[in-house]
Amino acid sequence: KAGVTQTPRYLIKTRGQQVTLSCSPISGHRSVSWYQQTPGQGLQFLFEYFSETQRNKGNFPGRFSGRQFSNSRSEMNVSTLELGDSALYLCASSPGLTGSYEQYFGPGTRLTVT
Amino acid sequence: GQNIDQPTEMTATEGAIVQINCTYQTSGFNGLFWYQQHAGEAPTFLSYNVLDGLEEKGRFSSFLSRSKGYSYLLLKELQMKDSASYLCAVDTGGFKTIFGAGTRLFVKA
Repeated sequence: KAGVTQTPRYLIKTRGQQVTLSCSPISGHRSVSWYQQTPGQGLQFLFEYFSETQRNKGNFPGRFSGRQFSNSRSEMNVSTLELGDSALYLCASSPGLTGSYEQYFGPGTRLTVT
Repeated sequence: GQNIDQPTEMTATEGAIVQINCTYQTSGFNGLFWYQQHAGEAPTFLSYNVLDGLEEKGRFSSFLSRSKGYSYLLLKELQMKDSASYLCAVDTGGFKTIFGAGTRLFVKA
């Protein structure tokens, strides 16, 4: 069974631009969560999607948004990029029927904002 | 508020035992996860505790006390490959998992 895939793996953007990151979950998994990981802060929860619906979100500004498609693939978008948005963005999938499942993480997208 | 605390770094010797502690204060609690993350790699699942007590899985064991808001991960017979970050995470319910900042473990020969 293929793992979680994320594209692109690396991205360099300029302040003020926007970016879209993609995540394909493990086949059969319907829940996708997104996290931002920075040194010292650890993984910060961005949002979680299940069957195209956002079920929860973290404390990030509205510049961070996401969506999920009918095939469970998910995208997150960051608009008006700031230097502080430089981070590793991880997505994780799980079966998702309840929240109490281990999550399987993708390799992440390393975003650098200059 | 949501708060998960774990030590920033620990160092231990190959073959020894190390205990990584985690304390948490969250608005909800369904269970507690431990993940391992090697540098430059994605986190991988180690354990999930729902009930109080110790759960053993090979060289790794995880303990939970819900009344004390406390957990620990115990690693026995340390190997060099155990050098990694160990992430404590709380399933707060509502399909939201909150992670601690992680403990970087260095295993020396």
